[in-house]
Amino acid sequence: LAKTTQPISMDSYEGQEVNITCSHNNIATNDYITWYQQFPSQGPRFIIQGYKTKVTNEVASLFIPADRKSSTLSLPRVSLSDTAVYYCLVGRTGGYQKVTFGTGTKLQVIP
Amino acid sequence: EAQVTQNPRYLITVTGKKLTVTCSQNMNHEYMSWYRQDPGLGLRQIYYSMNVEVTDKGDVPEGYKVSRKEKRNFPLILESPSPNQTSLYFCASRLAGENEQFFGPGTRLTVL
Repeated sequence: LAKTTQPISMDSYEGQEVNITCSHNNIATNDYITWYQQFPSQGPRFIIQGYKTKVTNEVASLFIPADRKSSTLSLPRVSLSDTAVYYCLVGRTGGYQKVTFGTGTKLQVIP
Repeated sequence: EAQVTQNPRYLITVTGKKLTVTCSQNMNHEYMSWYRQDPGLGLRQIYYSMNVEVTDKGDVPEGYKVSRKEKRNFPLILESPSPNQTSLYFCASRLAGENEQFFGPGTRLTVL
């Protein structure tokens, strides 16, 4: 399984765009990149998934460079309710394998 | 409503008293998993299962057992709980061909 590295924490003011980068140097050809969001005392919630280039949904965008050794989760115009821990995961889509969440990035949105 | 349910949500017990935390999903998902979450350690996988009677160890399986006798249920069993198993536990499920996991509300366990 590819190991991921994320910043431990980030602060941002309301209304700003936030970019959280995840490093995954050993990503395999068949691996996808998945991001989850977790609020305190709740289970993680799926945000977005991608393989290469750019993916956008109603919540976030995911940017993946050509070498796929990193990815960036972009949250547009964050609000206080976006304060959460964000996890980056790498693995085969639908594969039967261990899942490693790591410690994630704690985003604190400031008024 | 499509969901993953866990019971109990909160449990305080004593060392050595066997307990079971139930997990059930109504989405016909093949893959189910248990995680524990501790401050500073993130989410760590305990056991996972791809279908009935097929289970595998995650990163921290010591002290835990699981069973998958029915597709919808995946109970977590602590035969002899110890204080180091005090934690927040999450059950999750997903379809076999997808990455998106659906998580339960969590069970906060305290072992005295």
